[in-house]
Amino acid sequence: AQRVTQPEKLLSVFKGAPVELKCNYSYSGSPELFWYVQYSRQRLQLLLRHISRESIKGFTADLNKGETSFHLKKPFAQEEDSAMYYCALSPAVGYNKLIFGAGTRLAVHP
Amino acid sequence: EPEVTQTPSHQVTQMGQEVILRCVPISNHLYFYWYRQILGQKVEFLVSFYNNEISEKSEIFDDQFSVERPDGSNFTLKIRSTKLEDSAMYFCASSGGGKGNEQFFGPGTRLTVL
Repeated sequence: AQRVTQPEKLLSVFKGAPVELKCNYSYSGSPELFWYVQYSRQRLQLLLRHISRESIKGFTADLNKGETSFHLKKPFAQEEDSAMYYCALSPAVGYNKLIFGAGTRLAVHP
Repeated sequence: EPEVTQTPSHQVTQMGQEVILRCVPISNHLYFYWYRQILGQKVEFLVSFYNNEISEKSEIFDDQFSVERPDGSNFTLKIRSTKLEDSAMYFCASSGGGKGNEQFFGPGTRLTVL
């Protein structure tokens, strides 16, 4: 079964603290993994994807095929990072559906 | 920057009525999608559409649902006879057009079935 698991509904940190949002996936093939973010009153938007290996807004995510994980990390959280973060899987590289996790709300306090 | 638009932002309907949710994808995109999110639950894939036909659909997308691209700009989702459990946020997305497979999402339509 294709599944994305985000174990934390809420992650609450103070500004400047490190952040790790967990994502595990279940899929037998070679999926493409994404992180989408939804800021308050805004639409879902792509934050980063595993194949591009970029750092966006200080966030990075490494695909660990052995642990089937794609955790999102940032060394120093900022208040503007407060948002809903969704991990998503596409069954193959290409133009395919996204399978989303339940999302983690990140709250960064001053 | 071009954006996906959706209308209406909120639709209230009576159970058993037909609704049409409208989306205008980004103009040079070729792939179109509908997702829904029931309150408190995951964003779920409904259907993908390419080259004027459905390329994939989920188990949720039963005979009550249909999609259409009636002209060069609109992409619609029709629910023929709404049920209470169809109440959800419906998101349209599009991709293609030189930005790879990044899906660009609309702001969503909140459907409330009474």
